[in-house]
Amino acid sequence: KQEVTQIPAALSVPEGENLVLNCSFTDSAIYNLQWFRQDPGKGLTSLLLIQSSQREQTSGRLNASLDKSSGRSTLYIAASQPGDSATYLCAVINGSQGAQKLVFGQGTRLTINP
Amino acid sequence: EAGVAQSPRYKIIEKRQSVAFWCNPISGHATLYWYQQILGQGPKLLIQFQNNGVVDDSQLPKDRFSAERLKGVDSTLKIQPAKLEDSAVYLCASRASYEQYFGPGTRLTVT
Repeated sequence: KQEVTQIPAALSVPEGENLVLNCSFTDSAIYNLQWFRQDPGKGLTSLLLIQSSQREQTSGRLNASLDKSSGRSTLYIAASQPGDSATYLCAVINGSQGAQKLVFGQGTRLTINP
Repeated sequence: EAGVAQSPRYKIIEKRQSVAFWCNPISGHATLYWYQQILGQGPKLLIQFQNNGVVDDSQLPKDRFSAERLKGVDSTLKIQPAKLEDSAVYLCASRASYEQYFGPGTRLTVT
């Protein structure tokens, strides 16, 4: 059974710092891995999706890496801003495209202090 | 392109009552998911539909939860009777190819 763990559970940093969020998973036979952002009272917004054949994806100030062999992914946020404050969720995608199933970590609650 | 729509956004009921949630996926998305997100946890898959057929409902508490997707478009999730531990946000998502797109969720409080 796939289990996904995110560390730390909460993180508070001053504005402008670079930071790394960690995600680990127990079964390396994954299809894809996806990072989401969730604002309070809102749904999930997809940030980055890394296919199993890729090692990283970048979007603006965000960079996500994937190491399947070690069961780890990281989300790097450069030059953090107060608007980055949110909960960040990592989800491992198991199964083939037709029967795709997401298994989520518990999230990291990020606070960027002005 | 319109996103995934869900209603209601909030619902408060007493235990043992019944409740239903509605989801309208993105047009053309064949796959639809219902997730339960308890406060402080990540979402947990309840059921997955491919068109109007069930692909995975292994984590759906079938003694009280039911879901249907008529005509392969809209879907409803029902809880009857509700328990205190059902208090959570219920998220609907749809998918065409690689990515799942999530709706805003329905926050259920059972008192």
